Amino acid sequence: KAGVTQTPRYLIKTRGQQVTLSCSPISGHRSVSWYQQTPGQGLQFLFEYFSETQRNKGNFPGRFSGRQFSNSRSEMNVSTLELGDSALYLCASGGFDYGYTFGSGTRLTVV
Amino acid sequence: SQQGEEDPQALSIQEGENATMNCSYKTSINNLQWYRQNSGRGLVHLILIRSNEREKHSGRLRVTLDTSKKSSSLLITASRAADTASYFCATLAKAGTASKLTFGTGTRLQVTL
Repeated sequence: KAGVTQTPRYLIKTRGQQVTLSCSPISGHRSVSWYQQTPGQGLQFLFEYFSETQRNKGNFPGRFSGRQFSNSRSEMNVSTLELGDSALYLCASGGFDYGYTFGSGTRLTVV
Repeated sequence: SQQGEEDPQALSIQEGENATMNCSYKTSINNLQWYRQNSGRGLVHLILIRSNEREKHSGRLRVTLDTSKKSSSLLITASRAADTASYFCATLAKAGTASKLTFGTGTRLQVTL
């Protein structure tokens, strides 16, 4: 079965703009999690969604938001971009007792 | 914030040698997972060990877990050049219906011919 699909793969945005990233989980998976990876802070948890409900949220400012649709696809949005938001954003599906499957990520560069 | 510390931060070995990476964490967990990442791409799940397990094997991988010391180790036997990657431990803690992975700082493994 197809893996986790993240689009776009690369993105360059200007400070102050907003961005939306998309993630399609493995077919049949209802859970989607998002992570941010930066050289300075490493891998940090952003959100977890299950059946269109946010079940958990990491310690990020309100500029970071997300949602999940009825087909389990998820989007995350970052408003008023800052240089420090430059990162690899990873989405994962599945989890708890059998490991997560991650997408290839979206590399966001804010200039 | 990251919960886990991994050591060493970097490890360079020759093909055929064994590689051992260690992970320490801070709070109670449901399970601990190890992931591999090649050159800033997505993470690949390697192995999961539950909190009531002490050792697990999968192919050339051996994972141990000591919950009393809040530590885990990953052993890769007979390393190959293709094993060159960053390796991360991640602890999973479940609170009600919510769960999240908390990652360690990672170990960069270089396997040379």
